[in-house]
Amino acid sequence: EPEVTQTPSHQVTQMGQEVILRCVPISNHLYFYWYRQILGQKVEFLVSFYNNEISEKSEIFDDQFSVERPDGSNFTLKIRSTKLEDSAMYFCASRETGMNEKLFFGSGTQLSVL
Amino acid sequence: AQSVTQPDIHITVSEGASLELRCNYSYGATPYLFWYVQSPGQGLQLLLKYFSGDTLVQGIKGFEAEFKRSQSSFNLRKPSVHWSDAAEYFCAVGAYGGATNKLIFGTGTLLAVQP
Repeated sequence: EPEVTQTPSHQVTQMGQEVILRCVPISNHLYFYWYRQILGQKVEFLVSFYNNEISEKSEIFDDQFSVERPDGSNFTLKIRSTKLEDSAMYFCASRETGMNEKLFFGSGTQLSVL
Repeated sequence: AQSVTQPDIHITVSEGASLELRCNYSYGATPYLFWYVQSPGQGLQLLLKYFSGDTLVQGIKGFEAEFKRSQSSFNLRKPSVHWSDAAEYFCAVGAYGGATNKLIFGTGTLLAVQP
C-alpha cells in the first residue's frame, strides 16, 4: 500500500525556535492535511491544502503556522516561534479527489518544545 | 457542532474474547464515519468507514462496525481479539464541505490484550 512519509520522527527544539516538519504525500494525491495530537488529547485538524493554497484552517493554525508545497512532492508545516504548548504529535495526511476517498496518514513527527 | 465521543479511555480484554469499542457522534447531517487504529510508532490506519447503505460495515483485520442512527452510534466490534490488536483506536466523523473534507476525531480508546 502507498505511504505518506514524515520526517523527522522526533524533533526537539527550544522555545522560540523555528521548526519545519516535512511530509511526502502519496504521489497522485491532491489534498493535503496536517493534524496534531497533544498527549492524552484528541487528534485535531490544523489545516487543509489544495491547489497550492489553504482551503481551510482551524483556530489553532494562527500566524505562527504556515504550510508550503515547495517542489511538487514535499508538503511542509512551519512553526515560526515555537511555544511549549506546541509540543505534540503532528500527522500529515493526503488523499486523492472525491468526497469519499480514503485519507492516508503518515506515522507522525513527535515535536517536543523545551 | 460536530463532535465524537469515545467514552472508554482504556479497555483490557483477554485474547480470544470479543470486543466492542463505543463511539457516539454529533453531526447535523448524514455522517460519514470512520474507525482508525494507531499502533505504537505507526500512523493512523483506516479500519473501516461508513458512508451510506448497509449499516453494518466490514473492515480489515476482522473488524466490523454498525451505524445506528437512532443512537448516534458507530460501535466497533471484533468477535475474537488477537494480541496484535493491542493499539489505540480512534472513531472519527467526516465534516464534508467544500474542498476540505476534514475529520473530527474522538479522544481514542487504548486497547490492551491479556494473554
